[in-house]
Parts: sequence; C-alpha cells; structure tokens
Amino acid sequence: GENVEQHPSTLSVQEGDSAVIKCTYSDSASNYFPWYKQELGKGPQLIIDIRSNVGEKKDQRIAVTLNKTAKHFSLHITETQPEDSAVYFCAATLGSSNTGKLIFGQGTTLQVKP
Amino acid sequence: NAGVTQTPKFQVLKTGQSMTLQCAQDMNHEYMSWYRQDPGMGLRLIHYSVGAGITDQGEVPNGYNVSRSTTEDFPLRLLSAAPSQTSVYFCASSSVGATNEKLFFGSGTQLSVL
Repeated sequence: GENVEQHPSTLSVQEGDSAVIKCTYSDSASNYFPWYKQELGKGPQLIIDIRSNVGEKKDQRIAVTLNKTAKHFSLHITETQPEDSAVYFCAATLGSSNTGKLIFGQGTTLQVKP
Repeated sequence: NAGVTQTPKFQVLKTGQSMTLQCAQDMNHEYMSWYRQDPGMGLRLIHYSVGAGITDQGEVPNGYNVSRSTTEDFPLRLLSAAPSQTSVYFCASSSVGATNEKLFFGSGTQLSVL
C-alpha cells in the first residue's frame, strides 16, 4: 500500500546548529504535506505545511521543501534551541486532501543539546 | 475554548472487554479522525469522518467501530479488546472544512489491554 518513509529516526544536534528531517512518499496523487511536532505527553501540533503546487515554504526558523518529481519533502530547522527537542512527524495525503486519509511517517526524535 | 477533548486519559482493560473512547470538539469542525500511535510506527489512521452521518475506514480499522451522530462527537468503540490494541489513541479534527488539513489533536488516551 501507499506509505511515507521518514529519516532519520533519531537526530542529535548542538544548540544553534541546523536540523534536517527527510520524508519520501509513494502516492503521486498526494497534494498536501504537513509536519507535526509532538512534545512528551501531548498530542501532535501542526508546525508547517505545504501544498503540491509550492516548492518551498518558510516560517521564521522553520522551512519545508518539496520535490514532486522525486516524491520527497524535507523539514529544515535553523538556529535550533533546546525547546525544539521533540518528536517530529511528516505526513502526506492519500490522493488529495479531500479524500480523508492522511498517512504519517514513523517519526524523528530530535534532541537539541545546550 | 476547549478544542479537542478526549476521555479517559488512561484505561486498563482485560482481553475481551469492550469500551468506548470519547472525543468531542467545540470548534464546529466537519472532519474528525482517530489515530493510534505505537513505538516506531508513527500515527496510523483508524477511522475518519467528513461530517455527521458519514464515516470511513483508515489504514487499520479492524477491531474498531465509529459513529458520527453529531458534528461535535466522534466516539471510538472497541467491541472485544485484544492485547494488540494496547496503544495511545489520538482524536483529531480539521479546521479546513471536510479535508484532513491543519489537524488539531487531542491529548490522547493511553490504553492497556491485559
């Protein structure tokens, strides 16, 4: 079936460094790609999303890039801070966002060392 | 504004018991969904609904039932609990009409089946 692969599973960086998390998807009809951040004991929270007609989107220290041809998208966090430590999930729609199914990657545990 | 409320937060069941996980949202969102989260497997979609009276299956629907009699509530029923259903369950709703975009997640229900 259709899936989303996410790498790496764990990532440790020094405060101030950049962090990059990569995802690949299999459904060529996917048109919406969100990223969620989950802190310990809480539900996931949307941090940034991108549509298939856009190649890059930025929001302060966070950016997402999308390569539709290669079917992969990435999350970039610059100037990391200890509060960025969390589990990050990428996701992709199965078909369009109107079909109802959003498939998540396996998650990346990011540790930012002070 | 309460957002997405899940009850209970914790539950222990014996194999074969039944129970209902409650989910309510007060944002008048059309789209609601249930996910389960297991270590190393990310979030997997169980069932979803694009409006009152409409439900559909996700990636892992077996062993679970849902109904959507009102816009606000989307309960998840386990008819005969099995140890394989031990997991953390999240309910989510979307602020973008009947799509799965920009999901708001509840704080989760941790379920153990002995």
